[in-house]
Amino acid sequence: NAGVTQTPKFRVLKTGQSMTLLCAQDMNHEYMYWYRQDPGMGLRLIHYSVGEGTTAKGEVPDGYNVSRLKKQNFLLGLESAAPSQTSVYFCASKGDSRGYNEQFFGPGTRLTVL
Amino acid sequence: EDQVTQSPEALRLQEGESSSLNCSYTVSGLRGLFWYRQDPGKGPEFLFTLYSAGEEKEKERLKATLTKKESFLHITAPKPEDSATYLCAVQGGTSGSRLTFGEGTQLTVNP
Repeated sequence: NAGVTQTPKFRVLKTGQSMTLLCAQDMNHEYMYWYRQDPGMGLRLIHYSVGEGTTAKGEVPDGYNVSRLKKQNFLLGLESAAPSQTSVYFCASKGDSRGYNEQFFGPGTRLTVL
Repeated sequence: EDQVTQSPEALRLQEGESSSLNCSYTVSGLRGLFWYRQDPGKGPEFLFTLYSAGEEKEKERLKATLTKKESFLHITAPKPEDSATYLCAVQGGTSGSRLTFGEGTQLTVNP
């Protein structure tokens, strides 16, 4: 199993550009999450999904959109990037048939918005 | 609103010098307290889940304990490879499946 994978690993955008971050998991997990991690602020939840076709807002959703069209994929979109969105983005998933409660994280995407 | 505070922010130890990291939390109905390890440039790696006061879990040189207000991560005779940032998170009764994370403790173990 590859676990949770994220693409791309690094990206530099100019203000106003758009992009999509892809998260994929091969553990048949129901729940998926997008976080951002900034120095001194810890991990903050952006959006999450409790199953295929569902999405919900987290703590810091403004400026981001998400989609979960397939159970194994969770996409995070930035429609018009701003310098404040410079951060490291992590995807996580949890919840298989064994009932384990912990979230498993991907390796992260480092995004710089100029 | 769930809250998590970790202390200290940073800790330097000599190899073999045991110590503890603290995670204080405020939550409405604890459904789980989680410890993760994060190495530079990588995603958090799951270590432990604790569910109720008095519970303890161990893994190699690490032991996690839980009370009604805080959790400790005890590190016994640490080695340089234990150097990492340790994150604590809680899942509260009103937060569904969401976690609230602390800012972490950056541990450095010198040889």
